[in-house]
Amino acid sequence: DVKVTQSSRYLVKRTGEKVFLECVQDMDHENMFWYRQDPGLGLRLIYFSYDVKMKEKGDIPEGYSVSREKKERFSLILESASTNQTSMYLCASRRQGGWNTEAFFGQGTRLTVV
Amino acid sequence: GQQVMQIPQYQHVQEGEDFTTYCNSSTTLSNIQWYKQRPGGHPVFLIQLVKSGEVKKQKRLTFQFGEAKKNSSLHITATQTTDVGTYFCAGERGGATNKLIFGTGTLLAVQP
Repeated sequence: DVKVTQSSRYLVKRTGEKVFLECVQDMDHENMFWYRQDPGLGLRLIYFSYDVKMKEKGDIPEGYSVSREKKERFSLILESASTNQTSMYLCASRRQGGWNTEAFFGQGTRLTVV
Repeated sequence: GQQVMQIPQYQHVQEGEDFTTYCNSSTTLSNIQWYKQRPGGHPVFLIQLVKSGEVKKQKRLTFQFGEAKKNSSLHITATQTTDVGTYFCAGERGGATNKLIFGTGTLLAVQP
């Protein structure tokens, strides 16, 4: 059974804190993604990684960074959390290339910045 | 900013009525995928369309990819309460392989 696991379901952090969101997949997928989900805005891509140590900015990378030191793990870092980063964060992984390469999602982390 | 838009943002139907959501991209897509997110859940893959003008069916769900590969639609015939959730399209832009860009989503509510 394929699995994408996010380290926390709920997080509450203070403004200015450094926040780490962790994501692990067990499918040996090359591609991993971080999205944030806000009402009316759908899923917006923050960062994408296509290989270990390789990353690309998505549509809203400002205020975020990522780390992919191992193939199975993709971390999202909020350098200095702000209240406008309160959101649902979803991690996904996907096999490189081919047909019907569906994305598998974690259960999400609801982050509140106070 | 967001380059894949979906309409409507929200739709409320009576059980048994049909439902359609439309997905429009500002750029040509190499393929398009559709996902369903149940309330409180995470998005789950439904289908992928690759060819221009392609139509695929899954029971009561019909998916279509436009001729210009810039739009798509999902039609549900005779909705059931189990169809409740948010439906997302997701596309890959040509030359940006594997970078999935999601649409804004359509939330479907079904009244029994």
